[in-house]
Amino acid sequence: QKEVEQNSGPLSVPEGAIASLNCTYSDRGSQSFFWYRQYSGKSPELIMSIYSNGDKEDGRFTAQLNKASQYVSLLIRDSQPSDSATYLCAVNTNAGGTSYGKLTFGQGTILTVHP
Amino acid sequence: DAGITQSPRHKVTETGTPVTLRCHQTENHRYMYWYRQDPGHGLRLIHYSYGVKDTDKGEVSDGYSVSRSKTEDFLLTLESATSSQTSVYFCAISEKGETQYFGPGTRLLVL
Repeated sequence: QKEVEQNSGPLSVPEGAIASLNCTYSDRGSQSFFWYRQYSGKSPELIMSIYSNGDKEDGRFTAQLNKASQYVSLLIRDSQPSDSATYLCAVNTNAGGTSYGKLTFGQGTILTVHP
Repeated sequence: DAGITQSPRHKVTETGTPVTLRCHQTENHRYMYWYRQDPGHGLRLIHYSYGVKDTDKGEVSDGYSVSRSKTEDFLLTLESATSSQTSVYFCAISEKGETQYFGPGTRLLVL
């Protein structure tokens, strides 16, 4: 059973702080990892994708991947109230190249950034 | 949501009636997916398509069927709606079977 687990929330941080969101996955064959942001009543919006071990930075967002530990994280620097949303971790297992891009999602972490 | 539309956006129906949800894309992407999102369960894959007339089951496919007769359209049918199928349904598309982009969603209430 492929599973994706996210740190339990909700997570509350002050404006300007670093928000750290964590995700672990059970399938060692997982190849691609994604972070989505979902505002209340809206659809998931892609923030970051990461495929290789290490860090990937895009503006205030940094994704970190450690395949040996089966761990992926998302750091949001200088958090803003507009970052308040649910963050979804998604994992794509491409073992044998026939996954057809199917994603397994974690249950999400609710982030609140307070002024 | 650019390039992906879902219809209807909201629907109320009665138990036992068939319901069809439509996903339409203008991106010419090969892969299309249907998910449902429920509190406590997150997003779960119902069915997916990897080409015209090529579809397969996802994690929660019981009670659902799909069809894809054209690249741009992916239909999800609830054969006989039940209250447990009350949910928010999202369609997603992917060009190469990697990054997925989501449509605006359909809120379905089965009474």
